[in-house]
Amino acid sequence: AQSVTQLDSQVPVFEEAPVELRCNYSSSVSVYLFWYVQYPNQGLQLLLKYLSGSTLVKGINGFEAEFNKSQTSFHLRKPSVHISDTAEYFCAVSGKAAGNKLTFGGGTRVLVKP
Amino acid sequence: DSGVTQTPKHLITATGQRVTLRCSPRSGDLSVYWYQQSLDQGLQFLIQYYNGEERAKGNILERFSAQQFPDLHSELNLSSLELGDSALYFCASSVEQDNSPLHFGNGTRLTVT
Repeated sequence: AQSVTQLDSQVPVFEEAPVELRCNYSSSVSVYLFWYVQYPNQGLQLLLKYLSGSTLVKGINGFEAEFNKSQTSFHLRKPSVHISDTAEYFCAVSGKAAGNKLTFGGGTRVLVKP
Repeated sequence: DSGVTQTPKHLITATGQRVTLRCSPRSGDLSVYWYQQSLDQGLQFLIQYYNGEERAKGNILERFSAQQFPDLHSELNLSSLELGDSALYFCASSVEQDNSPLHFGNGTRLTVT
């Protein structure tokens, strides 16, 4: 079984400032890692995914994440946020042997202030 | 637009009632997943179907059931509803490969009064 911990439930940040959302996971097997974003009144949208290879993954909207196996982390970063990045962000993990059954973290609400 | 369609968008019903939520997956996707999102429980995996057959079960109550039809659309049935069942219910679909991402619908918001 897998579990995901998002260390911050809410992150306020000023426009054009950098942001980092922290995600730690636990699993007894190799995993795939994902970040999803949920805008108000919408479903979840895939930001990026780590399957294998380079530990630095680039996604949509200028986001990137780094997989750190020794620290079992997959933190999400953006160097300069926009007001439109205000949303809730979910880290998720899927065991490679378990198909696509995603386990989500509790989410981090990002509020971008002007 | 993810290509996943969920109906209805909103549903208000009373305790003890039964409702059916419907999901049409993205064209070409064989796998359908149901998730429940609530403030206290977060996003919880309920159940997965692949090409009409149940593939995996998560934290789904016995009062809840689902099925996937030959045309690949899926329905989630919630019965004997309780106040605590009020939540946002998401359907997602994928092509069912280990590394294929899930595409989520916009959800059905269920309010039980």
